[in-house]
This record gives sequence, structure tokens and C-alpha cells, in this order.
Amino acid sequence: EPEVTQTPSHQVTQMGQEVILRCVPISNHLYFYWYRQILGQKVEFLVSFYNNEISEKSEIFDDQFSVERPDGSNFTLKIRSTKLEDSAMYFCASSPIQGALEKLFFGSGTQLSVL
Amino acid sequence: SQQGEEDPQALSIQEGENATMNCSYKTSINNLQWYRQNSGRGLVHLILIRSNEREKHSGRLRVTLDTSKKSSSLLITASRAADTASYFCATDAGQAGTALIFGKGTTLSVSS
Repeated sequence: EPEVTQTPSHQVTQMGQEVILRCVPISNHLYFYWYRQILGQKVEFLVSFYNNEISEKSEIFDDQFSVERPDGSNFTLKIRSTKLEDSAMYFCASSPIQGALEKLFFGSGTQLSVL
Repeated sequence: SQQGEEDPQALSIQEGENATMNCSYKTSINNLQWYRQNSGRGLVHLILIRSNEREKHSGRLRVTLDTSKKSSSLLITASRAADTASYFCATDAGQAGTALIFGKGTTLSVSS
């Protein structure tokens, strides 16, 4: 069964550094998402992306965050200057149909640790 | 903001027992979904129920939706140790194209 893949599985970085988290969504999907989960807490929506532009973002997704689909297969989340509170598991998801009308397919996540 | 809230937060049962988790939400929805997360892993979709449906089954899972009470329940029958995981409900905000928002989840522990 096709799946969403995320790399790396773990990322450790120093506060203030830039990080790029990578995702390869399922190939015929059109809608892409990033979520994050701080340890022991709920899964929080960050951003959705369709047709090469952001379609929706949460208040968490401030100007330190950006997303890109650089080559038609990868979907990346960049955090420009990481803070301690950015430490979380980041999940990428994709879906063939817009929004929340159908199920999302999630990757296994990237655990980001900011020291 | 729109979100589901599950209860209980944690549930411990014996193998073979049924597990019931509840979800409440705040505004009208197009559909409600349930996801499962094994520790440290991604979320896996379990079942989707649309706002015009009242009950849906998938294997040992039964989901109900009461839009008048803005609530849903997930029943896992004849639970197994492998059902140990966190379970999340997720809702849209009633408009096409809006994000799927997750609740805080119920942590289910099934002991053998």
C-alpha cells in the first residue's frame, strides 16, 4: 500500500538553527499537510498546501515557518530559527481530496529536538 | 477553534472486554473521523462517519454520531492487547477545504 514517507526520523538541532523536515506524499495526492505533536499532547494542525500554495494555516504557523514543494514529489517544512518550544514530533500527511472531507494518510513523523 | 474532545483521557481494560471512547465537538461538521496512534508512530485512519450517518461499523469497530448532541463514540469490541494505543477523533469545521482538527485523545491500555 502506498505510504507517506518522512525523513529524517530524528533531528537534533541547536536553538536558533534552521531545520528542514522532508516528506514524500503519496504520488497521486493533491493536498498536503503538516501537523505537530508535543510529547503527551494533542496533534496540532500547522498548515495545508494545495496547488503550490498554502490553503490554510494555524496561528502556530508564524513567519518562522515555511513550506515548499520544490520538485513535484517532496514537500518540506522549514523552521527558520528554531526555539526550544519547537521540540515536537512533526507529521506530514496527504490526501487525494481537499480539506477534511476524506481521510488523511500520515507519515511516521520526524522527532525534532531543539537543544 | 473547532476541535473534538475525547473522554476518558485514559482507559485500562482486560483483553476480551469492550472499550468505549467518546468525543464531543463544538460546531457543525461535514464528517468526523477516528484515528489510532501507536506509541511514537504516525496516525492511522480507522473510520469516517458523515454528518448524515448515525452509525458505522468496520470489523470490531462501531462508531456512532449524534449531531444534535455534537458527540460521537468509538466502541472496540472484544479488545486485544494489540489494540493498546491512543485514539483520536478529528473533525472539520463544516466547510469544504478546512483543516482536520484533532482532539487530545484517549489512551487505551489492554492487558492480557
